[in-house]
Amino acid sequence: AQSVTQLGSHVSVSEGALVLLRCNYSSSVPPYLFWYVQYPNQGLQLLLKYTSAATLVKGINGFEAEFKKSETSFHLTKPSAHMSDAAEYFCAVSDVKAAGNKLTFGGGTRVLVKP
Amino acid sequence: AAGVIQSPRHLIKEKRETATLKCYPIPRHDTVYWYQQGPGQDPQFLISFYEKMQSDKGSIPDRFSAQQFSDYHSELNMSSLELGDSALYFCASSMGQALRGYTFGSGTRLTVV
Repeated sequence: AQSVTQLGSHVSVSEGALVLLRCNYSSSVPPYLFWYVQYPNQGLQLLLKYTSAATLVKGINGFEAEFKKSETSFHLTKPSAHMSDAAEYFCAVSDVKAAGNKLTFGGGTRVLVKP
Repeated sequence: AAGVIQSPRHLIKEKRETATLKCYPIPRHDTVYWYQQGPGQDPQFLISFYEKMQSDKGSIPDRFSAQQFSDYHSELNMSSLELGDSALYFCASSMGQALRGYTFGSGTRLTVV
């Protein structure tokens, strides 16, 4: 079974500082990995995805993530935090089937941005 | 662009009542997924449908059932509601395998009192 672990349920950063959210996965097959963001009382929005192409993936809102097979990691970064980045972030791995695939999510990391 | 539409946005039910949640996928999407997100928890996969047939099943209680109709919309039926069923229920849709991720709706917040 595939699984995802996010280190740190809460992260506090200053505006303009680096944002680093950690995600480690476990998968018996080459994984498809995703980062989603959830703003309060809203749905899940796809930030970026890794689907076995380039290991450095760029997403929306200035976020990027690097797939490191040797470390089984897919950490999310943003060079300079903005107040609007305050949200909860979920790392997810997909279980690919012939028709559709379900996502297994990590526990989420809530980001607080201090002015 | 059209998104995944869920209705209602909010629903309040009493214990032991029945609730029906609806999901309208993005046009031409043939696969629908349902997730449950409890307070402060990560989303948990419930069930999915591809071309109107159940394609995968997760931790969905026996009190819940779902189906996908000929127009590809889906309904999640929940009976004998319990307080623990209070959660945000998300629907997502994709075309086929959705190897590049799929699109979530804004969710239905169910409160059981």
